[in-house]
Amino acid sequence: AQSVSQHNHHVILSEAASLELGCNYSYGGTVNLFWYVQYPGQHLQLLLKYFSGDPLVKGIKGFEAEFIKSKFSFNLRKPSVQWSDTAEYFCAVNGRAGNMLTFGGGTRLMVKP
Amino acid sequence: DTAVSQTPKYLVTQMGNDKSIKCEQNLGHDTMYWYKQDSKKFLKIMFSYNNKELIINETVPNRFSPKSPDKAHLNLHINSLELGDSAVYFCASRDYLSDTQYFGPGTRLTVL
Repeated sequence: AQSVSQHNHHVILSEAASLELGCNYSYGGTVNLFWYVQYPGQHLQLLLKYFSGDPLVKGIKGFEAEFIKSKFSFNLRKPSVQWSDTAEYFCAVNGRAGNMLTFGGGTRLMVKP
Repeated sequence: DTAVSQTPKYLVTQMGNDKSIKCEQNLGHDTMYWYKQDSKKFLKIMFSYNNKELIINETVPNRFSPKSPDKAHLNLHINSLELGDSAVYFCASRDYLSDTQYFGPGTRLTVL
């Protein structure tokens, strides 16, 4: 079975601060990794994804994530956050054997103007 | 030109009632899903359908019955609603080639 842990449940930052959200997964095989964002009152949108190749992937809105296979991690980063980044962020894993997406518990980010 | 749409957006009902939520995608995807997001924002898969056939049922009570009349639609019918069913239900469809899921806007169900 696959599982995903997001260790930061709530993060509060000031604008221009740097962001790193942790994500660790548990799965015995090869995985596809995703970060989704949910702005207040909206549906989930894909931020970025990793399937293979360069472990540092860049997504929309200046976000990037690094896949570290030895640590089973896929942390999300942004060098300078904006107030508009206030949202819930979800890490997700899909084991290549199937098409079931397993989500982490989410991290609520609040950016103070 | 909405990719994945759900109706209704809000649903308020009494315990014991039966209700349905509809989902449609115009992306031409073969696989569709229902997810439940609880009050703590935890997202959990409920069902997956591929080309109208059920392929994943994640130990959801049998009061929940998905129906897929065609591969563009996946509806969710819930019988005998309980307080614990209150949540936001998201429909999604998956692009096989990119292995990316696209989510609908959600349906906020409140059971009184």
